[in-house]
Amino acid sequence: QVQLQESGPGLVKPSETLSLTCSVSGGSINSYYWSWIRQSAGKGLEWIGRIYMSGSTNYNPSLKSRVTMSVDTSKNQFSLKLRSVTAADTAIYYCARDGTYCSSSNICYKYFDYWGQGAQVTVSS
Amino acid sequence: EIVLTQSPGTLSLSPGERATLSCRASQSVSNSYLAWYQQKSGQAPSLLIYGASSRDTGIPDRFSGSGSGTDFTLTISRLEPEDFAVYYCQQFGSSPPTFGQGTKVEIK
Repeated sequence: QVQLQESGPGLVKPSETLSLTCSVSGGSINSYYWSWIRQSAGKGLEWIGRIYMSGSTNYNPSLKSRVTMSVDTSKNQFSLKLRSVTAADTAIYYCARDGTYCSSSNICYKYFDYWGQGAQVTVSS
Repeated sequence: EIVLTQSPGTLSLSPGERATLSCRASQSVSNSYLAWYQQKSGQAPSLLIYGASSRDTGIPDRFSGSGSGTDFTLTISRLEPEDFAVYYCQQFGSSPPTFGQGTKVEIK
């Protein structure tokens, strides 16, 4: 059973950089995309971006200028950095696996099939 | 980006009743890329339905999904006590992936 666990500071000062790591156990980080998703009272569930084992990334255009993701396949981990944070970045941050299933009739499905428990990050001085 | 609008915002029902949740997309979404999630208080969302109508492993058959194009529905045929939660639809058909704002199913 694949398990994901977020780790990182729970409190970040305004204008600083939010840094989180997601550790994957029970399966390899290889051959999947891995996403960061956040949840706040104001904006609901918001996809931040994804990374592949090669380091290839896709970011949400709304956050692209402030986001960097990286992957460490040797540690089965991937990470998120969000720069110049404000109170609007206060949220629960989840890491998740981008699941893909292709049927025998070559129809492929996509979904988020495994999620971490979430890490509360508060931006405050 | 594709905006998903869920209705109603809150559904107040009793155990044993039928719940019908709606998800409307601002643009057509391929059925393959429409999923539903359940979120219980203090927990991460968990996958219920993918491909608009396929139940994830272990999901009871009282949960069913239907729809196509811009209109999708999640139905819970007979509510069990553990089904009272928030439900989200999500699309993967167009980047960025987006979620609906959620429907809360609460005990009446």
